[in-house]
Amino acid sequence: DIQMTQSPSSLSASVGDRVTITCRASQGISNFLNWYQQKPGKAPTLLIYDASNLQSGVPSRFSGSGSGTEFTLTISSLQPEDFATYFCQQSHMLPYTFGQGTKLEIK
Amino acid sequence: QVQLQESGPGLLKPSGTLSLTCGVSGGSINTRNWWTWVRQSPGKGLEWIGETYHTGSTNYNPSLKSRVTISVDKSKNQFFLKLNSVTAADTAVYYCARGHTGGKYFDSWGLGTLVTVSS
Repeated sequence: DIQMTQSPSSLSASVGDRVTITCRASQGISNFLNWYQQKPGKAPTLLIYDASNLQSGVPSRFSGSGSGTEFTLTISSLQPEDFATYFCQQSHMLPYTFGQGTKLEIK
Repeated sequence: QVQLQESGPGLLKPSGTLSLTCGVSGGSINTRNWWTWVRQSPGKGLEWIGETYHTGSTNYNPSLKSRVTISVDKSKNQFFLKLNSVTAADTAVYYCARGHTGGKYFDSWGLGTLVTVSS
């Protein structure tokens, strides 16, 4: 299985901050990397697919980049509703696997 | 906008069989999507269980393959998860989701249902 490792595991930031979360794959996955946001008690929601494509309805302050084994999710200016947990997921090879999550908390 | 909803027992005894249904509304299951089950537990995070196509084709996570069956009923617009020989390690929130046609990312999710395995 492809292992997905996110860093950091948790992050404290303030409204208006620029935040970057990193996801590394244990082997090359081209651009088959997706990002999700999850709020407590809710299902994950898709933010970014294929590394850099913004899902319909997702604010433009979210962006993704990377290819191969290293990827980033950036939130350009944090809003109060962005405090949540973020997961990456590879869709290059079965079984699809997820990162362990990055919990974004209010400073 | 397609909506998914999981249903099934929330409490199981060890060695029992977990059976969940995912109802799809607002769209047909007979599309070029893969219909997926994902679970989430504190210990293992998010885990992809497997997927089915409307033709009945399936793919499973090798870690669960010996115990899992995913099937589809197009006439009812539903798909199903069965997991045999459950243990406490199978306690999790189970989600059904729609896998996008091309990219195998999950663009619609159910609300999730908590399944607890306990004697």
